[in-house]
Amino acid sequence: DSGVTQTPKHLITATGQRVTLRCSPRSGDLSVYWYQQSLDQGLQFLIQYYNGEERAKGNILERFSAQQFPDLHSELNLSSLELGDSALYFCASSVGPSRTGAPEQYFGPGTRLTVT
Amino acid sequence: LAKTTQPISMDSYEGQEVNITCSHNNIATNDYITWYQQFPSQGPRFIIQGYKTKVTNEVASLFIPADRKSSTLSLPRVSLSDTAVYYCLVGDLLYNQGGKLIFGQGTELSVKP
Repeated sequence: DSGVTQTPKHLITATGQRVTLRCSPRSGDLSVYWYQQSLDQGLQFLIQYYNGEERAKGNILERFSAQQFPDLHSELNLSSLELGDSALYFCASSVGPSRTGAPEQYFGPGTRLTVT
Repeated sequence: LAKTTQPISMDSYEGQEVNITCSHNNIATNDYITWYQQFPSQGPRFIIQGYKTKVTNEVASLFIPADRKSSTLSLPRVSLSDTAVYYCLVGDLLYNQGGKLIFGQGTELSVKP
């Protein structure tokens, strides 16, 4: 158990709908990362938040957005869903930058999104 | 942009040492190299991370040559439970400037008795 929790575990929805995925980082971790894993694209970095602020964007579509709340949990919002958005969505957390080097990322169990 | 390349699959036998190499020719100065293990329907699990030379922990070693254009994950004496997909991740994990965290396509390791 990595200490990162994600809900829901599974989500089935229809095209055009909007969903929200939730992530709670490990206790003490300030950074949250979101990743998408699909068969054709592999693991892709979407976005990172650090202590409530957006830190970096990767391959995140404009239909997707995220935020990190004061209690450090994060939500990934996916709207106008398309069949191709079906994938595993992972959240990872880390303590954030430190003088000892790059922090380790710990991944949650993921949310499996199926768009029909 | 550091594109990463790994072998798609590898086979091994219990008790053998397994070395999986990841190529990242365009690695940037600030990039770190991290290896993850993933079982079906689970999130990737951190194995080891390094910047240069050699890093060792209780489960694996990571060898990074001086030019840093590749890295090799070494798993000593594998067991059946090491059957999984192994990913390398290259990117600026310290500050993530530009959001360029790049995963390899994964190496499916099959350990046989």
